[in-house]
Amino acid sequence: QSVLTQPPSVSAAPGQKVTISCSGSSSNIGNNYVSWYQQLPGTAPKLLIYENNNRPSGIPDRFSGSKSGTSATLGITGLQTGDEADYYCGTWDSSLSAGEVFGGGTKLTVL
Amino acid sequence: QLQLQESGPGLVKPSETLSLTCTVSGGSISMATYYWGWIRQPPGKGLEWIGSIYYSGSTYYNPSLKSRVTISVDTSKNQFSLKLSSVTAADTAVYYCARLRQTLTPAGDHADAFDIWGQGTMVTVSS
Repeated sequence: QSVLTQPPSVSAAPGQKVTISCSGSSSNIGNNYVSWYQQLPGTAPKLLIYENNNRPSGIPDRFSGSKSGTSATLGITGLQTGDEADYYCGTWDSSLSAGEVFGGGTKLTVL
Repeated sequence: QLQLQESGPGLVKPSETLSLTCTVSGGSISMATYYWGWIRQPPGKGLEWIGSIYYSGSTYYNPSLKSRVTISVDTSKNQFSLKLSSVTAADTAVYYCARLRQTLTPAGDHADAFDIWGQGTMVTVSS
């Protein structure tokens, strides 16, 4: 059971837009910044979004992030078949079990 | 360009200690602001943070693994290492090392992100 809750799967057609949610609490998302990671099949995760809505160099602006209260959202526009991957949110949890935490991951299928 | 590479045995026996090393190349492990972390991923499952270390040796661990985990750093070799004791089949996973950019805001909020990852190494616990 992950501290952060993500939908197990989402799907959309090429060219469309999709959003992936990440739900937490005041001890994690509510008071800390969120990052998002993309894991293509058989590869290591790659940082997509940091500090809620910033993209590292080389990440296309089709990827965006937002945060409101204790939830965060990853948005992907102009979907491509190459976007098929698992997506994870992450943040710091300030509870008694303090440390870095991840969501359970969301499998994106581009139909 | 900074790169990380995990190394260590791919097979460990139950009750023994898993030992992995992460070698950092293309940059110094002694950079301010950056921690260095270990994350694992059991087959078909999600990511689990194991622990992180600063070049000074300061560490913090996942509370669920803390009693079995030791992370150390060797700045002279530009490496950091993971030891996980008393392993069971549940510790079978791909183990990743990663650079952790950790920033604290004036309000005390964490703005953390694992910005560079190694390719990962599969460790199987089996007799």
